[in-house]
Amino acid sequence: NAGVTQTPKFQVLKTGQSMTLQCAQDMNHEYMSWYRQDPGMGLRLIHYSVGAGITDQGEVPNGYNVSRSTTEDFPLRLLSAAPSQTSVYFCASSYGVHSPLHFGNGTRLTVT
Amino acid sequence: AQSVTQLDSHVSVSEGTPVLLRCNYSSSYSPSLFWYVQHPNKGLQLLLKYTSAATLVKGINGFEAEFKKSETSFHLTKPSAHMSDAAEYFCVVSEGSSFGNEKLTFGTGTRLTIIP
Repeated sequence: NAGVTQTPKFQVLKTGQSMTLQCAQDMNHEYMSWYRQDPGMGLRLIHYSVGAGITDQGEVPNGYNVSRSTTEDFPLRLLSAAPSQTSVYFCASSYGVHSPLHFGNGTRLTVT
Repeated sequence: AQSVTQLDSHVSVSEGTPVLLRCNYSSSYSPSLFWYVQHPNKGLQLLLKYTSAATLVKGINGFEAEFKKSETSFHLTKPSAHMSDAAEYFCVVSEGSSFGNEKLTFGTGTRLTIIP
């Protein structure tokens, strides 16, 4: 039972490069989301999805794209990396309303 | 609008002594409240949740929290700290009755240090 799997664990990008952070879950959860964690700011929601084919913006969506073609996968795309996107990114999923979130172990991204 | 305030950014206790991590919230509706724990280089893990049932909620690893509506508080406690409790703890408030309206707000975290 893998839960929520994020890849890669670490990534260094140069300003202007693009990349995709991968997230997969094997719990058949409908709800998936991406957060970024910055020191002293808690977790902030980037994008979320309530099911395959349905996505919406969270609190800090600028500079990021998502898609949800399957229930299992929810990739996060950085279109043109900026130093302000240096952060730790977490993917999470849950079963239903008010259900607890299951988190991946995070991707630590540095943009130089 | 909902918000959550963790009153201490850092708490240090000696092993075997009680733990108290404080959380105040504001919410326009009847909220759900959660505590999550994050160990170094790991994702967050649910400790416990309150969803309008019993006001005293028991979680994993001996932690519990009490929902006090009059004080808008949801403090996390443990009678006796263990070295393995050293981690960062997040209080989270949730509003909304269906997906699409669901909003989670995370506190800024409390780092718990255990002194041997």
